[in-house]
Amino acid sequence: ETGVTQTPRHLVMGMTNKKSLKCEQHLGHNAMYWYKQSAKKPLELMFVYSLEERVENNSVPSRFSPECPNSSHLFLHLHTLQPEDSALYLCASSQLGATDTQYFGPGTRLTVL
Amino acid sequence: ILNVEQSPQSLHVQEGDSTNFTCSFPSSNFYALHWYRWETAKSPEALFVMTLNGDEKKKGRISATLNTKEGYSYLYIKGSQPEDSATYLCAWDSNYQLIWGAGTKLIIKP
Repeated sequence: ETGVTQTPRHLVMGMTNKKSLKCEQHLGHNAMYWYKQSAKKPLELMFVYSLEERVENNSVPSRFSPECPNSSHLFLHLHTLQPEDSALYLCASSQLGATDTQYFGPGTRLTVL
Repeated sequence: ILNVEQSPQSLHVQEGDSTNFTCSFPSSNFYALHWYRWETAKSPEALFVMTLNGDEKKKGRISATLNTKEGYSYLYIKGSQPEDSATYLCAWDSNYQLIWGAGTKLIIKP
């Protein structure tokens, strides 16, 4: 595998379910990101991990819980979501430094019923 | 509130025609401006990172210019091809955070 991978690609869940999104980067980067993308809106940064430490948490509801066990893996644990949480969730990674370009995974399309 | 605006929201262009679109961003605390191309069902892909006022970058038929004093960047596509159909995103980088525009969706008509 190369680049940034995300699983699953599609997820349908009920409001009482618990599920997790997984992201893996094969680029040797030291920063990872979770974004939410809703229809016709800009990418919305949710969480940033730098050197496996969470450095940003943009007022995200506690029903979203990130986990970064090492520099290559990032999880987003989901529980008791709402229908308005239905969106595309993108993971990205970058190498911290000057103009750190982010490399994205293909996203997980989440539908909350 | 820091805003990054992209216009137009969507654009239909005849194959072979050239086109351009705009990204407007805050002119203060500028560090870099990123352009990405996002094809349907694929990952967003980095096109350019621009840092200096007056910067011009080129990649094949795609080029971009940057004006940090007035806070805008243009992306140009020369001789559009069907494979150029995508959403083009820009992101303003203050070296603290990236603020993204909503994108310009480009559709190339054969």
